[in-house]
Amino acid sequence: DTGVSQDPRHKITKRGQNVTFRCDPISEHNRLYWYRQTLGQGPEFLTYFQNEAQLEKSRLLSDRFSAERPKGSFSTLEIQRTEQGDSAMYLCASARPSTDTQYFGPGTRLTVL
Amino acid sequence: QQQVKQSPQSLIVQKGGISIINCAYENTAFDYFPWYQQFPGKGPALLIAIRPDVSEKKEGRFTISFNKSAKQFSLHIMDSQPGDSATYFCAASTLSGSARQLTFGSGTQLTVLP
Repeated sequence: DTGVSQDPRHKITKRGQNVTFRCDPISEHNRLYWYRQTLGQGPEFLTYFQNEAQLEKSRLLSDRFSAERPKGSFSTLEIQRTEQGDSAMYLCASARPSTDTQYFGPGTRLTVL
Repeated sequence: QQQVKQSPQSLIVQKGGISIINCAYENTAFDYFPWYQQFPGKGPALLIAIRPDVSEKKEGRFTISFNKSAKQFSLHIMDSQPGDSATYFCAASTLSGSARQLTFGSGTQLTVLP
């Protein structure tokens, strides 16, 4: 396993701009999760994919957020019209079929000025 | 409403000592309780996990104690080392459809002094 990778690792943007993050899960992991972590807090669940289907979305995922996993492999998380409150670490995790262990990537740290 | 409460917020331990971090949960549907370790600038890494059908699980220097009736669980780090200095998160989850959303505690920043 090469581990979960995320790109970019850091993103600085101005308020109102759109940003997109990418997550590459561990190969053969059909389950993919996005979490958001603010400073000094634990990660909070955002959304879940099983293969290409988005099956769960948190109330934290406002209309400005959209996530995709078009071919059941990598996933993207887009934030439109960013706000300062969106500044956080965005974490991706993946898991094998029928298992509970989630493996996290290094995260993308977003700073909205 | 915070569903997993973690304490203490920070902990300082001497090298060789025992570090103890506690968590309490409210949702009795939770059936999987992992602990994650996070270093600055890195994503959380799974340390050890337990299910409520056992009261204790040990892996190396790390032990989870689980009290189902009290809805509490704790992480014990034996012979703590400076390399253990990190932030530790407890988490809990239940299967919701096919998703296993993790609900995390607020974290404990552990410092092990040399």
